[in-house]
Amino acid sequence: AQKVTQAQTEISVVEKEDVTLDCVYETRDTTYYLFWYKQPPSGELVFLIRRNSFDEQNEISGRYSWNFQKSTSSFNFTITASQVVDSAVYFCALSEAIVNRDDKIIFGKGTRLHILP
Amino acid sequence: DTGVSQNPRHKITKRGQNVTFRCDPISEHNRLYWYRQTLGQGPEFLTYFQNEAQLEKSRLLSDRFSAERPKGSFSTLEIQRTEQGDSAMYLCASSPIVLQNTGELFFGEGSRLTVL
Repeated sequence: AQKVTQAQTEISVVEKEDVTLDCVYETRDTTYYLFWYKQPPSGELVFLIRRNSFDEQNEISGRYSWNFQKSTSSFNFTITASQVVDSAVYFCALSEAIVNRDDKIIFGKGTRLHILP
Repeated sequence: DTGVSQNPRHKITKRGQNVTFRCDPISEHNRLYWYRQTLGQGPEFLTYFQNEAQLEKSRLLSDRFSAERPKGSFSTLEIQRTEQGDSAMYLCASSPIVLQNTGELFFGEGSRLTVL
C-alpha cells in the first residue's frame, strides 16, 4: 500500500537559513508521482511540484529545490535563504499509477515550518 | 474567479443533523476529489470522481457519507446523522488528466464543519 512519511513535525529556523524538509514514501508500483504542497496560514493548499518516477533529475525553482532519490525512496524539499513568507505547513504526497483508476493522491502528515525574523 | 469553489465555507450543526457541501471544480477538469483534514493532520482521501463516475471510496467514508457528481460537473458531499467526530475541514480538489494520470490538484478553500 502507498504511504508517505514526513518525520519532521515542526521545524523552526532563522530567516535566511537554508532548510530541508524530508519525505519518505512507500509504493508497490514502479510508476508513480510525487508532489509537494504548501498550506499557508490562510489554509488553501498550493501546488509546488509534481515529479514522475522516471525522472530522477533534481529540480530547482528559484529558492526551492527538490532532491528525488529512488534508491532511498525519498523526495526532499530544500528552501534556500528562507523568508518569513515561507512559514507554512508543507505536505509531501504520492500517487500510484498502477492503472488509470487507482491513482488517488495520498498525503503525508505535513511539516510545519516556522521562519523566524 | 475560475478556481475551485466550495460552499458553505463554514457549517455549524447539532449532532444528528444532516449536512451537505457543494464543490464547483475548474470547468475543464475531469477529476474531482474530496479530502478531509483535521487539525495537525494532512488531507485524508475520501473519494474521487472521473467525470460522473465515482472511482474509489476510502474506508474512512462510512455509510453516513455519500458523494455525487451528476453530469460530471459540480459535486456534493452529504453527511447524514452527523457525529462530533465528523468535525473537520472538508476539502475539494479538481485535476486535469495528464498523460492518462493524475495531474496536480487544485484545491478549494474548504468547508469547515463543526458538530456540536
